[in-house]
This record gives sequence, C-alpha cells and structure tokens, in this order.
Amino acid sequence: GAVVSQHPSWVICKSGTSVKIECRSLDFQATTMFWYRQFPKQSLMLMATSNEGSKATYEQGVEKDKFLINHASLTLSTLTVTSAHPEDSSFYICSALVASGNADTQYFGPGTRLTVL
Amino acid sequence: GENVEQHPSTLSVQEGDSAVIKCTYSDSASNYFPWYKQELGKGPQLIIDIRSNVGEKKDQRIAVTLNKTAKHFSLHITETQPEDSAVYFCAATPTGSQGNLIFGKGTKLSVKP
Repeated sequence: GAVVSQHPSWVICKSGTSVKIECRSLDFQATTMFWYRQFPKQSLMLMATSNEGSKATYEQGVEKDKFLINHASLTLSTLTVTSAHPEDSSFYICSALVASGNADTQYFGPGTRLTVL
Repeated sequence: GENVEQHPSTLSVQEGDSAVIKCTYSDSASNYFPWYKQELGKGPQLIIDIRSNVGEKKDQRIAVTLNKTAKHFSLHITETQPEDSAVYFCAATPTGSQGNLIFGKGTKLSVKP
C-alpha cells in the first residue's frame, strides 16, 4: 500500500506555543489529505480535509484559526496547532487519499503524539 | 449524516479461534467500507475493504461481508494469532464526501495464547 509519514512522531511543548506537524505522501501524490485527532481509547475524529492549492475544509466545532492547515504541494500537508493548551494534547493522525478510477482509498500516517504542558 | 455503530467494543478469543466484528451504517448511499487495524501508539493500517457492488471479499485469514439491504458489514478473522491483538475500526464513506471516513468506535481484540 501507499506510504504516509508524519513528523515529528511525538512533541512536548509549553502552553501558549505553536507546534507544526508535517504529513507526507512518500511514493504517490495526494491532492487530498485528512487530519484526525484521537483521544485515549477513543475513535478517530475528523478535524479537516486538506486539498492541495486551496483552503482546508473544517469539521463543525474545529477552530480553523487554532488548527492551521496548509497543503502547498501534492506530497505535503502541515497542521499547526497555534497557542497550544493542555486540552490540545492528543494523538494527531493524517491520511492521504489515493484515487484510482472511482475507487478512493485512504492511507494513514503513524501519528504524532502532542503533549502540552 | 452518516453514523457507524460497531460491536462488540471488546472481544477476547483463544488463539486459533475465529473473531467476528460487526458494524451498521445509516446512510444507504454509502459505498465504501474499509477496516483498519490500530496497534498501540501507531496509526491505523488498512487491512481490507469492500465496495458496495461486492458482497464478500477475502484475503487469507481475513474476510469482510456486506449486506446493503440491512446496512451492515462484518469483519471475520479466522485462525486468530496473538499478533492479531489490536483495536479494529470499521468505517464508511458518506455520500457527497471528498472521501472522508466516518469511523465506528472500535473493537479491542485480545487473542490469548
């Protein structure tokens, strides 16, 4: 299957600082990527859909000014958590959409563990 | 919007036994149903998927069945092994989406040696 990487794999930051997470498709181009967050022992919650060259589409309840998404190339999407607070501590996972005819498949990155002190 | 229900939330089986996880969905127009395996601290890994024009799909010890009339689909794992222990998520792609997935709440599978 397609390979998606994330960097960093984990990060610890102080409250009030900003953190950038990168999501890369390594062996394919992805016009669409997704960002999810996952709390312990819970399911994945979609935060936003990232489209190359256009603004991201955010899910209801997700603050677009707090979670900045940039998809500047066909292999890279970034999520910046601005002015992070302890409640933003979570596991952030990206995925990339592989389109093949009318069959789209989503492949996930390994996730980034964010801890805000 | 689409809603996906997944059962059971936990499942414990003996090594060698079969495991079955069931999901139901609400949007009859959903047409893609993947299953993901997530190990602790890692991202979800696609293990099998099925599209609405197929009733059953098999890949070695893993199979998925789809009943569009009843709006449910199931994951079947045969001859379970300890390394199958993980959290399994079903998902569905809602109508008109850009391919985003609506996930079930997950099933923690424990395979005891």
